[in-house]
Order: sequence, then structure tokens, then C-alpha cells
Amino acid sequence: KQEVTQIPAALSVPEGENLVLNCSFTDSAIYNLQWFRQDPGKGLTSLLLIQSSQREQTSGRLNASLDKSSGRSTLYIAASQPGDSATYLCAVGGAAGNKLTFGGGTRVLVKP
Amino acid sequence: DAGITQSPRHKVTETGTPVTLRCHQTENHRYMYWYRQDPGHGLRLIHYSYGVKDTDKGEVSDGYSVSRSKTEDFLLTLESATSSQTSVYFCAISEEQGYRNEQFFGPGTRLTVL
Repeated sequence: KQEVTQIPAALSVPEGENLVLNCSFTDSAIYNLQWFRQDPGKGLTSLLLIQSSQREQTSGRLNASLDKSSGRSTLYIAASQPGDSATYLCAVGGAAGNKLTFGGGTRVLVKP
Repeated sequence: DAGITQSPRHKVTETGTPVTLRCHQTENHRYMYWYRQDPGHGLRLIHYSYGVKDTDKGEVSDGYSVSRSKTEDFLLTLESATSSQTSVYFCAISEEQGYRNEQFFGPGTRLTVL
């Protein structure tokens, strides 16, 4: 059974600092990996999708890397802003139906 | 938001009553999913659908049933609600573009079972 872990569960950084969020998974036979953002009381917003054949994906200030062999992905957010404060969720998808298995999330606070 | 709506957005009900949550999409996506989100457990898959009348169980399917009679609608039913089913329920679709499958989520339904 796939297990996804995100450590730390929470972190606080000053504005302008780069954010590094970690995700690890136990079964390397994944189809893809997706990073989401969730604001309090809201739904999930897809940030980046990395397919299993890719090593990284970039969108604006966001960059996500994937190392399938070691079962790890890292989300980098450059030059953090208070608006980046949210919970970030990592999810891995299997080939059959792309069912996602989620990590517990990392709650981020960016202090002005 | 990938054209996903959920109804109702909030519901309070009593133990033992039946409850149906609706997910509606406007873009003819083949795959649809129901997840629940709980503190300490994160998001977990309840059921999913890979086409009209084609559904399968997820990780936490006990006490839930689903139906998909039209491409655009995916219904989640709690036949007899229990307090353990108090949760936030999210519907999702998978947007397929070749080998790329990205999931997008609806706004959620907050269900309270008293």
C-alpha cells in the first residue's frame, strides 16, 4: 500500500525566504505526482503535475522535482510572500484510474 | 475550477438518515472521484468512476455508495449516516491529455452528522 509523508507538518519563514517542502512515498511505481495548495476552509488548487518520466516541472516561482528511485519530491517556492501562506499537499497517482494517495500536508506561514 | 460544482455546500443531518451529495462537471471528463478530508487522516479516496455506470471502491468505501447515470453527474450516497461520516467531502475530475492526467477538485461539501 502506497504511503505518502510530508515533513515538516508546519513551518514558518520570513517573507522573501525560499521555501522547500518535502514529500516522500514508499512505492516508486507511480504514474505521476501532483502538488496542491489548500487555503483554510477552501478546496484544493492544483499547482504542478509531474509525470513519472519527468525529473522536474516549473511554473513561475514554483519548481517541483521528482526522484522516483528514492521516493522523493521537493517543491521549491522562490522569494516567498505572505500570500503563499497555506497548506501544501503532495499526492501520488497510480496507473489504474489515477487514484491519488495524499500526504498529510505542510502548513506554511510566511511572516511579513 | 475545471467546471466542477458540488451540492449542497453545507449540510447538517441526523444519525440514521440517508444523505446524497452531488458532483456536477461541465467538461465531459471520463474520471470522477469522491474523497473525504478529516483532521489527522488527510484526504482519502472513497469511490471513483471511470465512465457512465462504471465505478469502483477506494480506500474508505464502507458505508458509502455511488452512482453515475450521466457523464456529468457523480452522486455519493450515505445510506444511513453515522457520526463518523462527519467530514468535508471533495469531488474531483481527472483531465486527460495523452499520458498526462491532472486532477482538479470541486469546492467541497461540509457534512455534519449529529
